[in-house]
Amino acid sequence: DAGVTQSPTHLIKTRGQQVTLRCSPKSGHDTVSWYQQALGQGPQFIFQYYEEEERQRGNFPDRFSGHQFPNYSSELNVNALLLGDSALYLCASSYQSTGELFFGEGSRLTVL
Amino acid sequence: AQSVTQPDIHITVSEGASLELRCNYSYGATPYLFWYVQSPGQGLQLLLKYFSGDTLVQGIKGFEAEFKRSQSSFNLRKPSVHWSDAAEYFCAVARGTGSARQLTFGSGTQLTVLP
Repeated sequence: DAGVTQSPTHLIKTRGQQVTLRCSPKSGHDTVSWYQQALGQGPQFIFQYYEEEERQRGNFPDRFSGHQFPNYSSELNVNALLLGDSALYLCASSYQSTGELFFGEGSRLTVL
Repeated sequence: AQSVTQPDIHITVSEGASLELRCNYSYGATPYLFWYVQSPGQGLQLLLKYFSGDTLVQGIKGFEAEFKRSQSSFNLRKPSVHWSDAAEYFCAVARGTGSARQLTFGSGTQLTVLP
């Protein structure tokens, strides 16, 4: 049984570019949450998707957007990248919003 | 707004020694508390959680944590540390009920285990 899978594992972008990160939830899970983990910090909640809609959102600007597909997989999009967007982006899945969270290994984004 | 403080950035212990990692939270209602572990290149793994009931909770890998409402604390303990426990540990509080609600994490404690 595959756990939460994320792609790509590493990527490098330049300021002003746009990036898309992808997440496939654990089998049987229907809810996907995204977290940003800056170096030396704990993860910060970006948003959560359930039934293809954004259900909760943390304190992140509109440059951060997402999508959930009918198969429950999800994308995180970041526009107009800033140096401060460099971080590990973690995807977590659960069965509905009350289930235990399972985290992927993350996508490491470096913005130059 | 809820917050989590982990006062110790880095802790070093010898293998076989006991361990206690501190966590203090700020939350207006009944907190839902978690401890996660993150090894290099790995995602976060849930060690244990507290929702209600017995204030001493047991987790995986021999870890336990005690919820103390009067001290707003949820410290993680292990009686005998193994070299494989070296990792970063995060305490977190959930807003609302359930595990998958929005989590607020502390900044983490890096654990080094000496042979």
